[in-house]
Amino acid sequence: EAGVAQSPRYKIIEKRQSVAFWCNPISGHATLYWYQQILGQGPKLLIQFQNNGVVDDSQLPKDRFSAERLKGVDSTLKIQPAKLEDSAVYLCASSLDPPSGRADEQYFGPGTRLTVT
Amino acid sequence: DAKTTQPNSMESNEEEPVHLPCNHSTISGTDYIHWYRQLPSQGPEYVIHGLTSNVNNRMASLAIAEDRKSSTLILHRATLRDAAVYYCIGPINNDMRFGAGTRLTVKP
Repeated sequence: EAGVAQSPRYKIIEKRQSVAFWCNPISGHATLYWYQQILGQGPKLLIQFQNNGVVDDSQLPKDRFSAERLKGVDSTLKIQPAKLEDSAVYLCASSLDPPSGRADEQYFGPGTRLTVT
Repeated sequence: DAKTTQPNSMESNEEEPVHLPCNHSTISGTDYIHWYRQLPSQGPEYVIHGLTSNVNNRMASLAIAEDRKSSTLILHRATLRDAAVYYCIGPINNDMRFGAGTRLTVKP
């Protein structure tokens, strides 16, 4: 079974530039998550999709971050404009079942390491 | 909120058992305890989860206290490949809130 795919693996941009990350979840997984992991910290949930609808985006900085999941499969996360503090690893994860009163096992991709200079 | 508390770091010798503790005194009665681990330069990977009774799988065992206020992840024989950050998570409304975790060092 193929895992969660993410691209690019690394990205370096200057502050105020824009950047986009792509995620392809495991086939058949209804729920998709984007996390931000700053060095030395645990992952922080940015947004959660169930199929192509947003379940939770309470921790997404909506003034600069946006995400979409067209057709309930692939997803993109965009930052515009980037700030120095956005330097982090951006992780995508997917899970088989939608939230059902208990959190389901999540499968994570390798992440995209973003450096903002 | 199901806040969890874990030691920042632990050390183990190779081939010895490791007991990783977690306190989650505010977890609700229906929330599962999840454990993930993150190897260097990789995304987190699922280890195990449980609700009330002890759980075993090929990776580890999970011992949950009777009052559910704490749990312990048990690696029966640590290997060098088990060196990672281990996260204990008590979901909040299905939101997996990762803390800083416990960094496990395995010495040969």
